[in-house]
This record gives sequence, C-alpha cells and structure tokens, in this order.
Amino acid sequence: GNSVTQMEGPVTLSEEAFLTINCTYTATGYPSLFWYVQYPGEGLQLLLKATKADDKGSNKGFEATYRKETTSFHLEKGSVQVSDSAVYFCVIFGNEKLTFGTGTRLTIIP
Amino acid sequence: GAGVSQSPRYKVAKRGQDVALRCDPISGHVSLFWYQQALGQGPEFLTYFQNEAQLDKSGLPSDRFFAERPEGSVSTLKIQRTQQEDSAVYLCASSLNRVTNEKLFFGSGTQLSVL
Repeated sequence: GNSVTQMEGPVTLSEEAFLTINCTYTATGYPSLFWYVQYPGEGLQLLLKATKADDKGSNKGFEATYRKETTSFHLEKGSVQVSDSAVYFCVIFGNEKLTFGTGTRLTIIP
Repeated sequence: GAGVSQSPRYKVAKRGQDVALRCDPISGHVSLFWYQQALGQGPEFLTYFQNEAQLDKSGLPSDRFFAERPEGSVSTLKIQRTQQEDSAVYLCASSLNRVTNEKLFFGSGTQLSVL
C-alpha cells in the first residue's frame, strides 16, 4: 500500500531561517501528495497539495514540488515566522483515503 | 455547523469500560472518516462512510471497535472493553463528497485515556 516517510523532529529554527522538511513516498500509480498542518490547539488542516509529477503546491509562503524521479515531496519555506510553529504532516492519497506520515514538530524562536 | 464537531473533547475510561465518541460533520458533507492518532504519531485510518454506508473498515484494529452513521450525518465510534493501548486522540473528518475526499476537514478530536 501507499506510505510516506518524513523527516523526524523536532525541528527548532530561528525566525527568518530557511526551512526544509523532507518527505519521500512509496506508492503504486500516481497519487496526489499533500502537506497538512496542525497548529497548537487546532484541528488538522490542508496546507498545500500537488496532483502530478513536477507540480508545485504553494500556500502561505510554503512550497513543495512533486518529484517522481526521487519519489519526494519536500516542504520548504524561505523565511519562517513564529506563527509557523506547528506539526507538519506529509500525506498521500490513495484508495479513497489519506495516509499520513508521522509528523514533524516545528518550533520557531524569535 | 461551521466545522466538524467532536464530543467529548476528553474522555477518561477505566480498562474494560465501553466508550462512545461522537462526530458531527460539516452540514451536507457526504464522506466521513475516523482516524486514530497515538501520541507522537500521525493519524492512522480507521474507517470511512459515504452517507450511511460504511465503505471501508479495514483500519479498525479489532472487533472491539465499531462505527456507525445511521442517518448519514452524525457518526459514533464505539470501543468496547477498552484497553490501555486504545489511549489516543480519535479524529473525525468529513468532505463534501467522494470526489473531494483528498481535502478533509478535521475536528479537534477526542482524547481518550484508558487507565
């Protein structure tokens, strides 16, 4: 079945630092890929998505590119803010359901 | 309602007790999912409904777990004879229909602690 492996945390960065959270996937076919985010005290929410190879998903300054050749979907942001502190999940869609990675806790310090 | 609502927010149960967790999806949403999230882990799929039909229950860990959605809106996840390993956050999510199942709206979850 489908699975994702993402970079283990926790990750702590200073404000305005560059962020990368690695994610690789295993899948049959060409699934859609996502990053979901869980802010403190809130429910999981969709951050961005990409539906086919070479697609770039982007939202709130975050980007991720669907790389079929390396089966990766790394999350990046050029300049993080304190408000980006959250848990980030790499997610794959297949068989009508989402399969989540283990999550990476990100803390941004001022 | 405006979002997916789950109750109770917290539940403490003694080992062996039965518990029932409720989910109110967004009004009009046809698809409903249950996930289990252990501490420090990602959500794990439990079961999926399309209206009142339970289309996939492959993720239910044992026959002590049972879910229903009799009228195609509110859903209840029941766990019989709870065990300590059932301690987790149980998340409910809904989507408008089958075509949009990749974009789920999640509730805040019910945190179950089994003592």
